[in-house]
Amino acid sequence: DQQVKQNSPSLSVQEGRISILNCDYTNSMFDYFLWYKKYPAEGPTFLISISSIKDKNEDGRFTVFLNKSAKHLSLHIVPSQPGDSAVYFCAVYSGGGADGLTFGKGTHLIIQP
Amino acid sequence: KAGVTQTPRYLIKTRGQQVTLSCSPISGHRSVSWYQQTPGQGLQFLFEYFSETQRNKGNFPGRFSGRQFSNSRSEMNVSTLELGDSALYLCASSATGGLSSYEQYFGPGTRLTVT
Repeated sequence: DQQVKQNSPSLSVQEGRISILNCDYTNSMFDYFLWYKKYPAEGPTFLISISSIKDKNEDGRFTVFLNKSAKHLSLHIVPSQPGDSAVYFCAVYSGGGADGLTFGKGTHLIIQP
Repeated sequence: KAGVTQTPRYLIKTRGQQVTLSCSPISGHRSVSWYQQTPGQGLQFLFEYFSETQRNKGNFPGRFSGRQFSNSRSEMNVSTLELGDSALYLCASSATGGLSSYEQYFGPGTRLTVT
């Protein structure tokens, strides 16, 4: 049973527009949420994170929103650039880290010129 | 600051053999975690080491083991390799203390192919 779900395996967005990647989780005890970006043949790169006590965190073109009541996390990229084409993973961390980071299956974002 | 390094980058082994993978964390990071990535299962947590002690362990058989040295470098060992062990093995390090300890920084991975 997946604790972290990214229901869109792929997403295509035009350059310059907003990319919105979504993630749903099942356990309300998760207390830290992260987004990673991964290019082929490389390890995941940390992008942005948010703690469960916040509902928004911004870093340049990247904003993460957390809706605890809906158990939903989203990553907004605006404006989208060609270099943003990659696989994006949502990850969660619960206190104690007994399960390490739990990752979603990823969404392949394709930025169209 | 140098990133997480993993050696070797690619490895081909035969069923039944054993393999050892190495990871050097970011300087100053004392926590090292290992993950397995496969197309079907995605990224799955193997175990975490901190100060030479295994702190957490994922749901993998005992054939998967690891250790950490006093300089925080870590090794992962898989014995009696099976075809299903073919995967990308990723090492991640994190700082200690506070929220920054939740942010793990990954190496490029070791691509293991078992034939």
